[in-house]
Amino acid sequence: ILNVEQSPQSLHVQEGDSTNFTCSFPSSNFYALHWYRWETAKSPEALFVMTLNGDEKKKGRISATLNTKEGYSYLYIKGSQPEDSATYLCAFIHNDMRFGAGTRLTVKP
Amino acid sequence: EAQVTQNPRYLITVTGKKLTVTCSQNMNHEYMSWYRQDPGLGLRQIYYSMNVEVTDKGDVPEGYKVSRKEKRNFPLILESPSPNQTSLYFCASSLIPNSYEQYFGPGTRLTVT
Repeated sequence: ILNVEQSPQSLHVQEGDSTNFTCSFPSSNFYALHWYRWETAKSPEALFVMTLNGDEKKKGRISATLNTKEGYSYLYIKGSQPEDSATYLCAFIHNDMRFGAGTRLTVKP
Repeated sequence: EAQVTQNPRYLITVTGKKLTVTCSQNMNHEYMSWYRQDPGLGLRQIYYSMNVEVTDKGDVPEGYKVSRKEKRNFPLILESPSPNQTSLYFCASSLIPNSYEQYFGPGTRLTVT
């Protein structure tokens, strides 16, 4: 069974705080890891596709790192804003796609 | 506009009445996939298709069928829906998921009574 674990399950921060959360995945047979942002009542939208050990990707205030040897990826948000409030999902690509349960981030003004 | 469309968006039906949820993409993507989302469980893959006439089971395929006769369409078929299939369903497509992100449809909320 290919388990993808995300932690924490939920996170409440104040506007301006920086935060990070973790995605853990099996370290064997790695193809790719995706990060998605999912706002309530909308569809998930892609943030990053990460394929190589040591990858670091950045989009505005959001960045992600990847360690395929130990099986984890971190997502960082610098200076959180209320509009960052969403559920952040990671997905491990093997032959199929396995999603974690997500980290629900709430940013209070 | 590049998009993935699903129909219907909302459906209430009764146990045992066959239904089909359509999914179509206009991006010429090879890979298409169906997911269901249940509280506390995240997105779980039902079926996926790497290309026309190629489909594979995902994590939770029981009770579902799919077909991929054309590249753009990937319908989800529930031959005999049951209440445990009440869920939010998403279709998604991608060029090659190893290297490219997925684009998700708007979702179909299905209730089986």
